Amino acid sequence: DVKVTQSSRYLVKRTGEKVFLECVQDMDHENMFWYRQDPGLGLRLIYFSYDVKMKEKGDIPEGYSVSREKKERFSLILESASTNQTSMYLCASSRRQGGIDTQYFGPGTRLTVL
Amino acid sequence: EDQVTQSPEALRLQEGESSSLNCSYTVSGLRGLFWYRQDPGKGPEFLFTLYSAGEEKEKERLKATLTKKESFLHITAPKPEDSATYLCAVQAGNQFYFGTGTSLTVIP
Repeated sequence: DVKVTQSSRYLVKRTGEKVFLECVQDMDHENMFWYRQDPGLGLRLIYFSYDVKMKEKGDIPEGYSVSREKKERFSLILESASTNQTSMYLCASSRRQGGIDTQYFGPGTRLTVL
Repeated sequence: EDQVTQSPEALRLQEGESSSLNCSYTVSGLRGLFWYRQDPGKGPEFLFTLYSAGEEKEKERLKATLTKKESFLHITAPKPEDSATYLCAVQAGNQFYFGTGTSLTVIP
């Protein structure tokens, strides 16, 4: 079974803090993704990566950065947390299979910025 | 504009009362349509991938079907443990589009 793990289930931070969210997958997937999920807005893509040291902006990259130094690990960084970044953060991974990329999600991190 | 719309937003069923959830999409170059189940406070759990119109897949009380414009998730004789939000997603090229989900409540 595919397993995607995230470093924290719940996180509370102060405005202005630097925040690190980590994601690890154990299935040797090439692709990894970071989403945020807010009520009424659904899932919105922040960043994704198709390979080690490679990153691409998603729909809402402002205020975030990412790092992928190893294939299995994809980190999301909030450089200076703000209250509007309070959200559920979801990591996903997928294998490239002839263009059909079923994504598998981690358990999520509920981040609250005070 | 490419998009995915799910209906209804919320659905309440009595235990054993079968129904269907709808996912309609307007994308070009569909590669796959995905169904997920999401419990409160948790990440989406993968259910099905459908690749082409006419395809059907089943898992326990769930059956997913696909046409050229929409997909249905049929729930037969649901149980309270089927209560969750069901998400639909579509892949077109390398882009993914997610619906906002249908919140299903099954009452004992």
